[in-house]
Amino acid sequence: QSALTQPASVSGSPGQSIAISCTGTSSDVGAYNYVSWYQQHPGKAPKLMIYDVSKRPSGVSDRFSGSKSGNTASLTISGLQAEDEADYYCCSYTSSSTKVFGGGTKLTVL
Amino acid sequence: EVQLVDSGGGLVQPGGSLRLSCAASGFTFKNYEMNWVRQAPGKGLEWVSYISSSGTTMYYADSVKGRFTISRDNAKNSLYLQMNSLRAEDTAVYYCVRDGVFFLYWGQGTLVTVPS
Repeated sequence: QSALTQPASVSGSPGQSIAISCTGTSSDVGAYNYVSWYQQHPGKAPKLMIYDVSKRPSGVSDRFSGSKSGNTASLTISGLQAEDEADYYCCSYTSSSTKVFGGGTKLTVL
Repeated sequence: EVQLVDSGGGLVQPGGSLRLSCAASGFTFKNYEMNWVRQAPGKGLEWVSYISSSGTTMYYADSVKGRFTISRDNAKNSLYLQMNSLRAEDTAVYYCVRDGVFFLYWGQGTLVTVPS
């Protein structure tokens, strides 16, 4: 159950687009379309932003989008805003019927 | 409105035990799979355990297998996590989370501290 691999940090200026990668294996990310993404602000519980690779829950801005290619999933945030500054985590279902999170990525809006 | 209220955290000595609870409301609890997710101070999220809606199927992270037991009482709309043989590395905020493969609803978390 090794954690999925995410970059430790990414940054972008307001209005720009950024992408956060999430690399797993053929036993998790590559095996199922059950990748989800979470946003967490300091001191708060995580918030679901994307599920089933590319679906957005009701109320989540369409500036957030998800995709997957092979063993790597990606979260793209377009039109960066100050309030997007947060930690982001990917999560995948695994072939052992467990779940595994990525190590997290700190997004800084410059 | 869906609500998950976590409780039961606290300070416990290494080797000790603790039972976390999660009170659910605002939805038909018996119809939903549930999980526990934890977050050590300043660290990332870690999935801990899963239980099916009926309570007959459970899965655990390798880091807690054999020490933690997840359970539920559908009549009381409650989820539990029995934690035994606690270690310093179990120190974390523990969240009760609804659903199977993705986590839409989260509790507020309860802090478990195991000093080293």
